[in-house]
Order: sequence, then structure tokens, then C-alpha cells
Amino acid sequence: AQSVTQPDIHITVSEGASLELRCNYSYGATPYLFWYVQSPGQGLQLLLKYFSGDTLVQGIKGFEAEFKRSQSSFNLRKPSVHWSDAAEYFCAVGAADSNYQLIWGAGTKLIIKP
Amino acid sequence: KAGVTQTPRYLIKTRGQQVTLSCSPISGHRSVSWYQQTPGQGLQFLFEYFSETQRNKGNFPGRFSGRQFSNSRSEMNVSTLELGDSALYLCASSRSGTSTDTQYFGPGTRLTVL
Repeated sequence: AQSVTQPDIHITVSEGASLELRCNYSYGATPYLFWYVQSPGQGLQLLLKYFSGDTLVQGIKGFEAEFKRSQSSFNLRKPSVHWSDAAEYFCAVGAADSNYQLIWGAGTKLIIKP
Repeated sequence: KAGVTQTPRYLIKTRGQQVTLSCSPISGHRSVSWYQQTPGQGLQFLFEYFSETQRNKGNFPGRFSGRQFSNSRSEMNVSTLELGDSALYLCASSRSGTSTDTQYFGPGTRLTVL
């Protein structure tokens, strides 16, 4: 069955430290991969997406993600986090044959220590 | 360009009642998707509409229904409310609703069922 796993429910990092949020997927077809961020009381905002080509994808707010087919992973990274990055982050997977439906991870809540 | 708007932002209902939520997509977007977000289940896909037609439906009971109007605005209805229907209901719009299309989310409607 198709699935997306975000193994970390919560992650706490100090302001200025680097960040890596993990996402693993199980998908039979070639995946389309997305990272979204949800700030408290807000809807979701797209950070970045990968369809094909260069496996290192740059997104907004200084985020990047790397697609590793051999590991079925699409981890999100940021070299230095800011307090405003505190939010919940969602990984999602779709495919050309997924009938417009994305499969979503459970989310990782990022907490920033001052 | 105005974003996705959802009304109302907050609703309190009692068990057995019905509720209608509204979503106005970004101008020019013809696809509208609905999601239910709860702490326990994460983001669950409800259904997607394109040009007034439901193209895909998630695994929810028939109490959950929706429709889309000719101006792409969409409504979802939940009948015979249950306590477990308490959730944040998110609407997302995109130009075509394909897997490669970026979805833009509204702020959500917080439904509380007492």
C-alpha cells in the first residue's frame, strides 16, 4: 500500500542550528514529492516540490530537500533555523496515476529553543 | 491576487445537526480539494472537484458530501454530525488538480461538535 512516513512527531532545535526533517515513502510509481508547512492557525503553504531532474530541490524560506530513490526518502533541510520556522511540516506524495490525490505524512512539529 | 478563503472560520454544532462549509478558490483555479485534519489522523483527503464534477473521493462515509458551482466555489456538507467529526476542514485550490499542480490552502474551518 502507498504510504508516507514522517518518523519524528516532534523535533526541538536551537535557533541557529541546522535542521533535517525525515520523510520516507512507499510508492509503486515514480513519485511526485512535496513539503508543506503549517503555521499555527493557518492553512498549509508549499515549501518545495520534486517531480524530476536534479534531486536537490531548493524551496522558499531557505529550505531544501533531497530526493534519494535508493532510500525512498525526501528529507527536508535548513542550515540555520529561525524562531519563525516553528510550525508543523508535512511531506506528501503523489503520482501521475494517483487520480489527483496526495498521500500525506502525519507531520513533524518543529519547536525552536531560544 | 486573493488567496483561498473559507467561511466560516469557526463553527460549533451539536451531534445530529448538519453543517455546510464554503470555500472560494483562487481566481482562475478550477480544482478544489477538501481535507479533514485531526491530531490523531493527520490530513485525510475528502474529495476533489473540477469543473463542477467530483473526480475523486476519499474513504469517508456518505454523510460527507460536496459540490462545486460554475464559478468554482465549493461547499461541503456534513449531515448527522458525530463527535468524531470535530476537526479542522481545509480547502485547497489549484489550476487543474493534477498531481504536479501546486495546491493552495485556505486557513480552514474549525468545526467543534458537542
